Amino acid sequence: DQQVKQNSPSLSVQEGRISILNCDYTNSMFDYFLWYKKYPAEGPTFLISISSIKDKNEDGRFTVFLNKSAKHLSLHIVPSQPGDSAVYFCAASANSGNTPLVFGKGTRLSVIA
Amino acid sequence: GAVVSQHPSRVICKSGTSVKIECRSLDFQATTMFWYRQFPKQSLMLMATSNEGSKATYEQGVEKDKFLINHASLTLSTLTVTSAHPEDSSFYICSALPTGRHRAFFGQGTRLTVV
Repeated sequence: DQQVKQNSPSLSVQEGRISILNCDYTNSMFDYFLWYKKYPAEGPTFLISISSIKDKNEDGRFTVFLNKSAKHLSLHIVPSQPGDSAVYFCAASANSGNTPLVFGKGTRLSVIA
Repeated sequence: GAVVSQHPSRVICKSGTSVKIECRSLDFQATTMFWYRQFPKQSLMLMATSNEGSKATYEQGVEKDKFLINHASLTLSTLTVTSAHPEDSSFYICSALPTGRHRAFFGQGTRLTVV
């Protein structure tokens, strides 16, 4: 049973436009959510996170929205840049501080110049 | 930010040999480290959770005798792929979780090719 789902395997967006990556989760124990960005043959790098006590967190061009009732979160990138082209993983964690992250399958974002 | 160093970044080995991959947290202590495996075009799949000073916890379907994990200190965990076979070829990634934190930091990954 996949607890974290990224239903769109790929997304293409024109440079300067908004990229919206979606993520759904099923485990109501999750209370901390993270987005990681991964380039080929490299480890994932942390992008932005959000705690379940918030519904929005913003960092520069990146904003994460959390809808707890829908068990849905999304990552908005605006404006999108060619360097944003990568695979984006949504991850979730439960409240113990030592639980492993559960990852979605990732969404490959291509930003076209 | 916190740094996790994974070594080697790339290794080619012969079938039947063993390969050791190291994961070090350079500027923080990590009671817990995780080992993931990524197949082409797929997500990161958790293999095992490594706890300092105790035995690792393996996910279902992961052979503990094949993927030996040692977490001897708060800054080092090692994954040894024993008697490697071509189907073990993959991208292995470790992450270290600073004690009491949710945010994990990842190593650069190791591309293992078994020939």
